[in-house]
Amino acid sequence: KAGVTQTPRYLIKTRGQQVTLSCSPISGHRSVSWYQQTPGQGLQFLFEYFSETQRNKGNFPGRFSGRQFSNSRSEMNVSTLELGDSALYLCASSGGTGGPYNEQFFGPGTRLTVL
Amino acid sequence: KNEVEQSPQNLTAQEGEFITINCSYSVGISALHWLQQHPGGGIVSLFMLSSGKKKHGRLIATINIQEKHSSLHITASHPRDSAVYICAVFNSGGSNYKLTFGKGTLLTVNP
Repeated sequence: KAGVTQTPRYLIKTRGQQVTLSCSPISGHRSVSWYQQTPGQGLQFLFEYFSETQRNKGNFPGRFSGRQFSNSRSEMNVSTLELGDSALYLCASSGGTGGPYNEQFFGPGTRLTVL
Repeated sequence: KNEVEQSPQNLTAQEGEFITINCSYSVGISALHWLQQHPGGGIVSLFMLSSGKKKHGRLIATINIQEKHSSLHITASHPRDSAVYICAVFNSGGSNYKLTFGKGTLLTVNP
């Protein structure tokens, strides 16, 4: 089975712009979670989608949004980019009903730099 | 105080040594995960624990729910074990849950 893929792998944007990141989960996985990793804050949970519905959300402003399509692929959007949004954005998929009792499989991440 | 605390932050060992990384948390949890992150960013899930102990090869993970503490042990450490090890807890709360991460432990194993 192919692993979790994320595109693009690297991205440079300027303040005020918006960005869309994409995540394709492992075939058959319906749960996709998104995380932000920065040197200062470490890993932080953004949100989780399951069967096209946002099921859980972390403590991030409304500029961070996402969606999931019927094929389980997910996109994350950040509007009005700020310098502090520079980070590694990781997505992870899990099988079954998702949630805390299923192993998470992580993608390689998208490195976003905001200038 | 962070909800999830890991210790030590940095750990240097010689090949063959027994390694212990600790994780303490302050909230009720449904499950705890140990993750491994190599330079370059790739993260691999090592264990998911809700009670007791799990073993996979040279890695052992334990959790004490009453004491809100988990440990990750590496026996016969090897330079390829060099990575950041991250503890993550799922806070319980019905169908809604929240995943909180520790800051990670940077392990360097020297040959």
